[in-house]
Amino acid sequence: EAGVTQSPTHLIKTRGQQATLRCSPISGHTSVYWYQQALGLGLQFLLWYDEGEERNRGNFPPRFSGRQFPNYSSELNVNALELEDSALYLCASSNRRGRLRGETQYFGPGTRLLVL
Amino acid sequence: DQQVKQNSPSLSVQEGRISILNCDYTNSMFDYFLWYKKYPAEGPTFLISISSIKDKNEDGRFTVFLNKSAKHLSLHIVPSQPGDSAVYFCAASDSNYQLIWGAGTKLIIKP
Repeated sequence: EAGVTQSPTHLIKTRGQQATLRCSPISGHTSVYWYQQALGLGLQFLLWYDEGEERNRGNFPPRFSGRQFPNYSSELNVNALELEDSALYLCASSNRRGRLRGETQYFGPGTRLLVL
Repeated sequence: DQQVKQNSPSLSVQEGRISILNCDYTNSMFDYFLWYKKYPAEGPTFLISISSIKDKNEDGRFTVFLNKSAKHLSLHIVPSQPGDSAVYFCAASDSNYQLIWGAGTKLIIKP
């Protein structure tokens, strides 16, 4: 079974540009989560999509947005990039039907975004 | 306001000894707790979990203990092995199935 995949692995942008990050969940998973991990910090929750809808968002400005497609893959868009957006962006998927074990998220390897 | 706290940024343990990683939480609505392990350049991987109806869950060398009254959980690794060197994240979930994460503890196993 294929795991969560993310593309690109690395992305270099300059201030003010836009970045688009992509995530494909594990087959059968309907929920996709996006996290930001800045250097030396823990995972900060960005967005949660389930069944094509945005269910929740973390404490990030509106220039962080995304969407989930009918095949449950997802995009994260970051507009008007700032230097402090440089971080590892992790995507995770979960199967919300497996609630007996609680919420267990499976992570992709991440996209490392560098803003110059 | 950090609802899940891992107060030790790093921990160094001799190979073969016990590693104990700690995690504290503030929200009494959390009813499920998970530990994830992360190697450099990889995403976190699920390690072990515990429901709030239990106070202990064991899986091989890994045991998680939950003290609800103290809002504290710990992960014990016995015996510690070099491959256990990684960053360990504690996460908590409420009935909305959102995961709230701690900042992580870097575990270093010394040979």
